[in-house]
Parts: sequence; structure tokens; C-alpha cells
Amino acid sequence: GENVEQHPSTLSVQEGDSAVIKCTYSDSASNYFPWYKQELGKGPQLIIDIRSNVGEKKDQRIAVTLNKTAKHFSLHITETQPEDSAVYFCAALGGGADGLTFGKGTHLIIQP
Amino acid sequence: DGGITQSPKYLFRKEGQNVTLSCEQNLNHDAMYWYRQDPGQGLRLIYYSQIVNDFQKGDIAEGYSVSREKKESFPLTVTSAQKNPTAFYLCASSREGDNLLDEQFFGPGTRLTVL
Repeated sequence: GENVEQHPSTLSVQEGDSAVIKCTYSDSASNYFPWYKQELGKGPQLIIDIRSNVGEKKDQRIAVTLNKTAKHFSLHITETQPEDSAVYFCAALGGGADGLTFGKGTHLIIQP
Repeated sequence: DGGITQSPKYLFRKEGQNVTLSCEQNLNHDAMYWYRQDPGQGLRLIYYSQIVNDFQKGDIAEGYSVSREKKESFPLTVTSAQKNPTAFYLCASSREGDNLLDEQFFGPGTRLTVL
């Protein structure tokens, strides 16, 4: 089955700086890569996703890049703000029928 | 107001008891999912259902059971056979059961603690 590794587990950046979270996956047949943001005590919310037919997708301050050859994808947040503080999860949809496989999460801390 | 609701928010159970977690959605979604989240861990799939009256085991189905008698409801029972049930349980749904590329919408979660 699919295996997703996510790094770092904790990331602290100054407000206004950029943050990058990286994930690798194992199943070369994976074709859908969503990113979720989870605030304390709440369920995850989709913030951006990318499909295997594109290499980059951007939505305001958030962007995701995908390198299918290397089997890794990254989340980029620019001009970070205090409300960006949360746990972020990457996920990959493998070639089997088992649904999404999630990374272990990154706790992003925005320092004022 | 559309969305996914889970109840209760907090649940306490004595060891050896079965307990059922509720998940309801009014989004008219075909597919529903149950995940377990442990501290410092990602979400792990317990069960999923792509259509009414059908469901499949996920990665960690042992000690759990589900039913999907109605499109809008997907209750999860944590049985006494589950050795380490204390966790945060998340329910999700997506529009099309046969299209796993659909966005999954998550409920607010239920925190289960076994005493």
C-alpha cells in the first residue's frame, strides 16, 4: 500500500516569513495529493489539492508543488500570519482502493 | 446549514463496554469514512462506505464495526475487542462514492477516553 512521510514534525517561523512542508510518497500510481489544515479540537479542512497531471497549483498565499519523478510534493505558505498556526497534513491517494493515506502532520507555529 | 455532525464531542467509556459514535451528514454525499487520530500521528482509515448498505474495511478495522443503512448516517461502534480505543475519531464524507479524488469534508470529531 501507499506510505506517506511528512517533514518536519514541527516548524516555527516568524510572522511574515515563508513556511515549507514536504511530503514523500511510495506508490507511483498515486494521482491525488490534498493538504489539510487542522486547528485544535476541530476536524481537518482541505486547503489545497493537486492532481498528478499538473506540477504546481497556487491559491493566494498557498501553493503546492508536485514532482512525480521524485515522488514528493510540498506545501508553501508565504507571508505567514498568526491564523496560519495549526497542524497541517498531507495525503496521497494510492493506486489501490483504500482511499487516502495521510502523513503524520506538521505543527506550524507562527511567532509574532 | 449543510455539513457533517458528530456526537458526542467527548465520550467516556469503561473498559469492556461497547460504544457507538454518531456521524450524520446533510450534504447528500454518497461516500462516508471513519478515521482514527492519535497524538503525533496522521489519520488512519478504519472503515469507509461508498454507497448505502455497503462498506469496506480500512487499515485498522479490527475491534470496530459500522453500518450504513441510510445515506446520511454512518455510525461507528467501538467494541470491547479494540485493545487501545482511546483516541480522537473523525468522520468524513465525499460527494461521489466511486470517485476517490473527491474532496473529503470532515466532521468536528469525537474524543473517546476509556477509563
